[in-house]
Amino acid sequence: GAVVSQHPSWVICKSGTSVKIECRSLDFQATTMFWYRQFPKQSLMLMATSNEGSKATYEQGVEKDKFLINHASLTLSTLTVTSAHPEDSSFYICSARDLGGKNIQYFGAGTRLSVL
Amino acid sequence: GEDVEQSLFLSVREGDSSVINCTYTDSSSTYLYWYKQEPGAGLQLLTYIFSNMDMKQDQRLTVLLNKKDKHLSLRIADTQTGDSAIYFCAESYNTDKLIFGTGTRLQVFP
Repeated sequence: GAVVSQHPSWVICKSGTSVKIECRSLDFQATTMFWYRQFPKQSLMLMATSNEGSKATYEQGVEKDKFLINHASLTLSTLTVTSAHPEDSSFYICSARDLGGKNIQYFGAGTRLSVL
Repeated sequence: GEDVEQSLFLSVREGDSSVINCTYTDSSSTYLYWYKQEPGAGLQLLTYIFSNMDMKQDQRLTVLLNKKDKHLSLRIADTQTGDSAIYFCAESYNTDKLIFGTGTRLQVFP
């Protein structure tokens, strides 16, 4: 149980294009999902908290127009990196919090974004 | 603000025990967690402990919590090569947010 699927696992795109990353909770419902960014050999940096049916809450320093988050259902959140540039290249990881009560986050496998 | 710190590296021989340490600053933490990350992968929840507990054991894993010293440790018994990975401790308190440590790279050699 508690499986989170993240897709795609790796994407290479040209500078200026937009990339959408999907995060799905497969066997549980999640009103709250989280998007993290991880630089090589570093810890996870929380980018935003995605709430089903409402606007995402962004962390300080994260551009909301650059990183569009949509959480349209209890099992799906998407992160769109708009007009991607090489500095956006990174490992993006999502997590979903089980509605079951405990504050447990289950993580997707991550998406490696390479912007040329 | 909240801060979670870990040592960066740990190297152990296969079959020995590994102890990964973590210190945190927020005394109002409610849950503390250990996650494992293998290369190029997401985070796998290993175990968690509620802040009113001192110890939790799950098969080869033992978590010790010293709330007075704000110190958390993860002991892996009979460490195997498959345990080589980065281990993150994390804390949460009154919000949904997790505050992650810097991660400890565990290397297991034969």
